[in-house]
Parts: sequence; C-alpha cells; structure tokens
Amino acid sequence: GAGVSQTPSNKVTEKGKYVELRCDPISGHTALYWYRQSLGQGPEFLIYFQGTGAADDSGLPNDRFFAVRPEGSVSTLKIQRTERGDSAVYLCASRSSPGDTGELFFGEGSRLTVL
Amino acid sequence: AQSVAQPEDQVNVAEGNPLTVKCTYSVSGNPYLFWYVQYPNRGLQFLLKYITGDNLVKGSYGFEAEFNKSQTSFHLKKPSALVSDSALYFCAVRDMVTGGFKTIFGAGTRLFVKA
Repeated sequence: GAGVSQTPSNKVTEKGKYVELRCDPISGHTALYWYRQSLGQGPEFLIYFQGTGAADDSGLPNDRFFAVRPEGSVSTLKIQRTERGDSAVYLCASRSSPGDTGELFFGEGSRLTVL
Repeated sequence: AQSVAQPEDQVNVAEGNPLTVKCTYSVSGNPYLFWYVQYPNRGLQFLLKYITGDNLVKGSYGFEAEFNKSQTSFHLKKPSALVSDSALYFCAVRDMVTGGFKTIFGAGTRLFVKA
C-alpha cells in the first residue's frame, strides 16, 4: 500500500481479555517495528522484525506480549490477559531495510483502552 | 546504551518569531539523528535527519537542525514560526555501532505557536 496501515484504529477491551493489533507495512519494506506510546510519553520500542524473524524483541515488557510476521509483510501484535496499564497507542513503523539510513514510516496507530 | 533527552516539555513562541526545540543525545558510536512531528491523533511524520556531512541539515516545512558533536546536541530550529507548526516534536537517535537497528525516541516537546 501507499503507507503503513494499522487496524483497528481503536480497541476497547476488558481487563483479562486477549487483543490482536495488525500492521500492514509499506510494500517491499523488510524492516518492521512496533512501538508503544503512553499519554505524554515518546514512543517506546517494543520489537522489530527483519523479514519474518524477530531480530530484536528486547522492548517487549513481559511474556504477555508477543508479535509475529509469518510471511514477512503483515505483522500482528498479540497481548494476552490485558491489564489496565497496557492502555496506550501502539504504533507500527516500517523501513525499507534495517541498515538503510532513512527514516521510519509510521502508521496512525491503534489506540488500546483496557477497562 | 543510547538515549535522548528533550529538556523542555513545552515551548511557547509567537507567530513570526524564531523557534528552537532542544535535544541532546547519548550514544557509544556515531549517531544517526532524527526529528519527527506528531499532530493530534496522527502517527509520527519525519521532518529531517543527520547522518553525516554538513552539521546544519534542512528538512520539511522550513525546519532545520544543527548537529553539535561536542555538545551532543541536535536542536530543531525554524526562523519564523507559524501557528500551524503547533504540534508534538520528537527527537530520535540510532546508534549504528552498538544500538542495532532500533530508533530511540525522546519524551517529546509540545510546541505552541500563538497568533
């Protein structure tokens, strides 16, 4: 597609539920990143993929968070047993390759609210 | 470890006046530095970057930034502010030697331009 697409744009769920957030990167971009942005904060790195593999998942806060990118394009961020503290905007970004010097291209984010 | 500091939560400036948004960074190797802007309920948009070369880089919407290695700073500037420049601005850094391929963001500075 022309840009990075994220769905849903808004998700309201109850504490303890399971949530999936989807990211469709720019066509041909091999590097894909997930960030979390809490209110009043900068984007916080969660995980990045090079192709199908998670090359760095050091930012995932705990084992309730997991992400996949099975075919090297679309990625899904999965959150199990959601907690109120998981409420944030989840941003996805892509880059043509990890080693290039260019900028990240961001989607508009998925706003998650855990009640 | 790489890090970014934006010492001002908010910057207020009158329309037509010059503006500066401050950023300092800490990396082990050579930094790649970026500025992004975020409008309400939108993803981040790239403004400009410093990779190498001239310390003064020019970007979108009339913005520029000056890389100062000795002061480890990368302040964002614009000679004449517009009301439409009011937004949230993020400085970001990639440490290409030790930081891998992730980009680390500052906490953001809210710019308010008064007519």
